[in-house]
Amino acid sequence: DAKTTQPPSMDCAEGRAANLPCNHSTISGNEYVYWYRQIHSQGPQYIIHGLKNNETNEMASLIITEDRKSSTLILPHATLRDTAVYYCIVGKATSYGKLTFGQGTILTVHP
Amino acid sequence: DAGITQSPRHKVTETGTPVTLRCHQTENHRYMYWYRQDPGHGLRLIHYSYGVKDTDKGEVSDGYSVSRSKTEDFLLTLESATSSQTSVYFCAISDSTGQETQYFGPGTRLLVL
Repeated sequence: DAKTTQPPSMDCAEGRAANLPCNHSTISGNEYVYWYRQIHSQGPQYIIHGLKNNETNEMASLIITEDRKSSTLILPHATLRDTAVYYCIVGKATSYGKLTFGQGTILTVHP
Repeated sequence: DAGITQSPRHKVTETGTPVTLRCHQTENHRYMYWYRQDPGHGLRLIHYSYGVKDTDKGEVSDGYSVSRSKTEDFLLTLESATSSQTSVYFCAISDSTGQETQYFGPGTRLLVL
């Protein structure tokens, strides 16, 4: 599976958009980009995933560059409850669901 | 929230003793996973199961064994606990091979003295 690179930490003001970048320059054609987050002391939570098109759901938007070598997770109106570690994961759709987590980005949302 | 429970939630044990952690689900999901989480390493897959009695190794399986005799239960056993196995252990379940559909349990904090 392709490896990902994320900034170790980011800050965001409450109510503003949080844009979390992820580089995955070695991604292959059949690999998806997945985003999970982990709020302190809890298990990870699925946010969104995509292959090549931009995706949006009730939690976030995912923007994938045309060459698919990077992506951005957007939380449109961050709240204090969005403070968490965000993991960008790249993998095939049929890997028995095995997730390979990196270090992630610690997002801190400030009042 | 998906119906996943882990027991015990906290455990302190001594080096060399056997330890079994239990993951129980009420969702009837086919796939179950055990991860460990350590500072500086993130989450790492230990073992996973793709059906009753069907299991396979993950990234860090040495020193661990698993069993799945029923759909709802996935047991992780440390045959002889070591201090390096001090960690937080998460169980996860999914109903498909898609990596987006994993639901995680609340975790078990294990301290090996």
